[in-house]
Amino acid sequence: GAGVSQTPSNKVTEKGKYVELRCDPISGHTALYWYRQSLGQGPEFLIYFQGTGAADDSGLPNDRFFAVRPEGSVSTLKIQRTERGDSAVYLCASSSSPGDTQYFGPGTRLTVL
Amino acid sequence: DAKTTQPTSMDCAEGRAANLPCNHSTISGNEYVYWYRQIHSQGPQYIIHGLKNNETNEMASLIITEDRKSSTLILPHATLRDTAVYYCIVRVEPRAAGNKLTFGGGTRVLVKP
Repeated sequence: GAGVSQTPSNKVTEKGKYVELRCDPISGHTALYWYRQSLGQGPEFLIYFQGTGAADDSGLPNDRFFAVRPEGSVSTLKIQRTERGDSAVYLCASSSSPGDTQYFGPGTRLTVL
Repeated sequence: DAKTTQPTSMDCAEGRAANLPCNHSTISGNEYVYWYRQIHSQGPQYIIHGLKNNETNEMASLIITEDRKSSTLILPHATLRDTAVYYCIVRVEPRAAGNKLTFGGGTRVLVKP
């Protein structure tokens, strides 16, 4: 079946702009996770959704970052007033229920100029 | 979650078994050992996980020492497509609190012809 998909695959923006990154989880998966991966490092947790609600947002670096999952399926990660330090690969994962194996999408590479 | 220690890199020969070590000396009784890998420009891929018994699936085998302070991931017949960064992750009981994965630096494995 279809895996986790993320769009766009690449996003180039200018410092100060607003961006939205989209994640389509595996159909039927109730849990959704966002991670960020900087060059040469392992992924770092950002936020976890169970259904429509954010169950753990402890990894969001500051209030410029926000994520939603209004219908419990697709999720959007929103970044306001982007900074060059936000450049990274943003990964999304989903699992059939909380704590089950997480399956990752291919990621969105964000470049802030 | 307990911290893990892995070698930064290792090479192995195509067709031979690849043995990837991981140290997790502070692991708690309710923590599982997970392995993921990340092929260049892709999202992390789940490989295997275990609590205290050895585990095997179609991708690999996981050997956990009796004291659970270390483990070894075994790729029985490495192929060039197994070239990737391999992450060993210790995680609390999956259905307990704390569903995020905490990635370290991983081991960069290069399979050579």
